[in-house]
Amino acid sequence: DVKVTQSSRYLVKRTGEKVFLECVQDMDHENMFWYRQDPGLGLRLIYFSYDVKMKEKGDIPEGYSVSREKKERFSLILESASTNQTSMYLCASSPGTGVKSSYNEQFFGPGTRLTVL
Amino acid sequence: GNSVTQMEGPVTLSEEAFLTINCTYTATGYPSLFWYVQYPGEGLQLLLKATKADDKGSNKGFEATYRKETTSFHLEKGSVQVSDSAVYFCALPNTGGFKTIFGAGTRLFVKA
Repeated sequence: DVKVTQSSRYLVKRTGEKVFLECVQDMDHENMFWYRQDPGLGLRLIYFSYDVKMKEKGDIPEGYSVSREKKERFSLILESASTNQTSMYLCASSPGTGVKSSYNEQFFGPGTRLTVL
Repeated sequence: GNSVTQMEGPVTLSEEAFLTINCTYTATGYPSLFWYVQYPGEGLQLLLKATKADDKGSNKGFEATYRKETTSFHLEKGSVQVSDSAVYFCALPNTGGFKTIFGAGTRLFVKA
């Protein structure tokens, strides 16, 4: 069964801490994505990567960075967590290369609910 | 760029009722269209898709038809079950990019 796994389902951190959210996919997909999901705001794209070591800003990259050192792993980093980063974080992956890859299905992980106190 | 608008929720129905969740889109060309579902406590998963005009996607009793005349992709199910309670997202690819545009989501509650 194909899978996207995220390192934690629930995480509680303090303001100012550095936070790492890890995502691993076992489908050999080229593309990986980080979203945050907030009530009333839907899904918002933070960053995505279409190849190893490549990254592109999404719609709300401020306060976040990412790392993709291996094809199967995409990490989201909060350099200095703040309370307004309390949210559900969803990782996804999809196959294909080039801009038409967005015509393919995205596979999502179960999400990490992050609370910053 | 492309965009999608779906009806606001929540939608509350009794078991065995008919479901429609409206979705309209604006797009360059004829991109694939998707419906994703998010069950409580889980990530999104693909429910169905259609790749060209007049295509009908179907899965688990849900259907949606790609209508280019009305730029719509409404989700329907003839008889909902309590287990269909979830959030439903309409989606399409962004113009010339790697990204997918998701609607705001429609929460469905089905009462026994």
